Amino acid sequence: NAGVMQNPRHLVRRRGQEARLRCSPMKGHSHVYWYRQLPEEGLKFMVYLQKENIIDESGMPKERFSAEFPKEGPSILRIQQVVRGDSAAYFCASSPPGWVYGYTFGSGTRLTVV
Amino acid sequence: GENVEQHPSTLSVQEGDSAVIKCTYSDSASNYFPWYKQELGKRPQLIIDIRSNVGEKKDQRIAVTLNKTAKHFSLHITETQPEDSAVYFCAATPPTGGGNKLTFGTGTQLKVEL
Repeated sequence: NAGVMQNPRHLVRRRGQEARLRCSPMKGHSHVYWYRQLPEEGLKFMVYLQKENIIDESGMPKERFSAEFPKEGPSILRIQQVVRGDSAAYFCASSPPGWVYGYTFGSGTRLTVV
Repeated sequence: GENVEQHPSTLSVQEGDSAVIKCTYSDSASNYFPWYKQELGKRPQLIIDIRSNVGEKKDQRIAVTLNKTAKHFSLHITETQPEDSAVYFCAATPPTGGGNKLTFGTGTQLKVEL
């Protein structure tokens, strides 16, 4: 049973470009969480989704960031017009519905904006 | 929302000594407290957790204690080994309608010296 899969592992974008980060949940999991970890900081919650629905996006920046989890395919975190401050590690995790325990993170995508 | 404070930010111990990391939380409704270990460049990994109906939990050399009245919880590592060197994060989550939104502390860099 494969764990949470994230790709790419490393992503380099120039300022102003778009970044697309993908997260495939564990088999049987229908809920996905995205977290951001700035250099030498803790993880910050961004968004919690279930298939075709955003449950909680209270941690998402108001502009340039969006997330989706379609009926088919991985969850996508999209960052438009990236700036240097977006450079961070982005981790996702997944869970079954109603999960009330800790979850396993994917290996993360390290975004570098140059 | 929930706010989690973590101390110390760095901790250096001699191999074989004990290490204690402390966290406080603000939301008295929080009822689940996991601890994650993150090695350099890797994903955070869940190492132990505790629910609010339990005061202490132990797993080999690792233990977590919870004081609901004072709203603080601690991680205890005994007989530390060099492979325990990593960044440790505490987290808290209040009950929600479904899923877990974790609020993380800022991390403790633990260094176990030979």
